Amino acid sequence: GDSVTQTEGPVTVSESESLIINCTYSATSIAYPNLFWYVRYPGEGLQLLLKVITAGQKGSSRGFEATYNKETTSFHLQKASVQESDSAVYYCALGDLGTEGADRLTFGKGTQLIIQP
Amino acid sequence: GPKVLQIPSHQIIDMGQMVTLNCDPVSNHLYFYWYKQILGQQMEFLVNFYNGKVMEKSKLFKDQFSVERPDGSYFTLKIQPTALEDSAVYFCASSPRVRAEQFFGPGTRLTVL
Repeated sequence: GDSVTQTEGPVTVSESESLIINCTYSATSIAYPNLFWYVRYPGEGLQLLLKVITAGQKGSSRGFEATYNKETTSFHLQKASVQESDSAVYYCALGDLGTEGADRLTFGKGTQLIIQP
Repeated sequence: GPKVLQIPSHQIIDMGQMVTLNCDPVSNHLYFYWYKQILGQQMEFLVNFYNGKVMEKSKLFKDQFSVERPDGSYFTLKIQPTALEDSAVYFCASSPRVRAEQFFGPGTRLTVL
């Protein structure tokens, strides 16, 4: 089946430093899955951070970027300068269509990001 | 933005009892999902649902599980009977169409004693 592996947390970064959270995937049922980064801020529900559906494309949101690399089956999350408000748990996810043509998401375990002031 | 609501936020029941988890999806969304997250593990797909029918279910979706959305009301996950290994946080999600963003609820923490 499909799988997603991401950087094991917690990851601690100082404010204004750069960040990379690694994500690699294995998609067995679909050649070009959709790729997502979701985020859960403290006390809040899971929300979409960014999404890329085309290999080779880059998605960006709130200063975060991720590029869909089909050759390396990776979708790493990067930010040039983190802020304290970025402290959260980040989830990489792969979306494919099952045998009946409806979506299902496969998630990584999540990476807790702690930003030090 | 659009919100998915889940009721209750926490449910404690004895093993063998029945439990119903309720989800109020985003209005006008057509696809509905349940995911399960055991403490310390990743969130895993259980089932998706469209047009009144289960489209696909994972191996985690045991025979004791059922879903329905009668007359556009809550999208529910029923477990009957419950087992200890059903203890987890259950997340509901909805989306307007295939290949679109799924909007997640805050989860229901189910504790089976």
